[in-house]
Amino acid sequence: KAGVTQTPRYLIKTRGQQVTLSCSPISGHRSVSWYQQTPGQGLQFLFEYFSETQRNKGNFPGRFSGRQFSNSRSEMNVSTLELGDSALYLCASSLIALAGSITGELFFGEGSRLTVL
Amino acid sequence: GQQVMQIPQYQHVQEGEDFTTYCNSSTTLSNIQWYKQRPGGHPVFLIQLVKSGEVKKQKRLTFQFGEAKKNSSLHITATQTTDVGTYFCAGWIGFGNEKLTFGTGTRLTIIP
Repeated sequence: KAGVTQTPRYLIKTRGQQVTLSCSPISGHRSVSWYQQTPGQGLQFLFEYFSETQRNKGNFPGRFSGRQFSNSRSEMNVSTLELGDSALYLCASSLIALAGSITGELFFGEGSRLTVL
Repeated sequence: GQQVMQIPQYQHVQEGEDFTTYCNSSTTLSNIQWYKQRPGGHPVFLIQLVKSGEVKKQKRLTFQFGEAKKNSSLHITATQTTDVGTYFCAGWIGFGNEKLTFGTGTRLTIIP
């Protein structure tokens, strides 16, 4: 069974540009969540999608957006990039929607490492 | 805001010594998960604890969930070089509108 696939793995952008990252979840997984990982802030929750609907959102500015397609693949977009957006962006998929005591083990992809110059 | 803190931030141990990382939340958690991230890798799920006071073991790893469901710990007995990495706890916060909030992580390095 293929794992979570994220593309691209590495990318370099300049301030003001925008970027789109892609995530293909494990087959059969309908929940996709995104995290930003930086050395200083750890893993910060961006948003979660389930069945094409955004179920939850973290405390990030509106420049960060995402969507999920009918095949559960997800994309996240960051517009007007800032230097502080340099980070590893991790996508994680889960078999079911993330909620409380229901098993919500996350399967992470390798991440997309974004460098903003 | 709601946070999940871990201590220590860094831990260096001699191979064979024990290691413990502690996870504390400002609010009650629905349940808690633990993940391990090897250097250059991605987080990998280790375990989930749901019940108050729950204790689970995986070989040399012992996980505990506090009675008040606000804290958790991971203890590794007789560390090995393969234990190197960052250990994260992740707690479900916000009954009815849960978000999985990751702790700040504890980076473990092993001195051979």
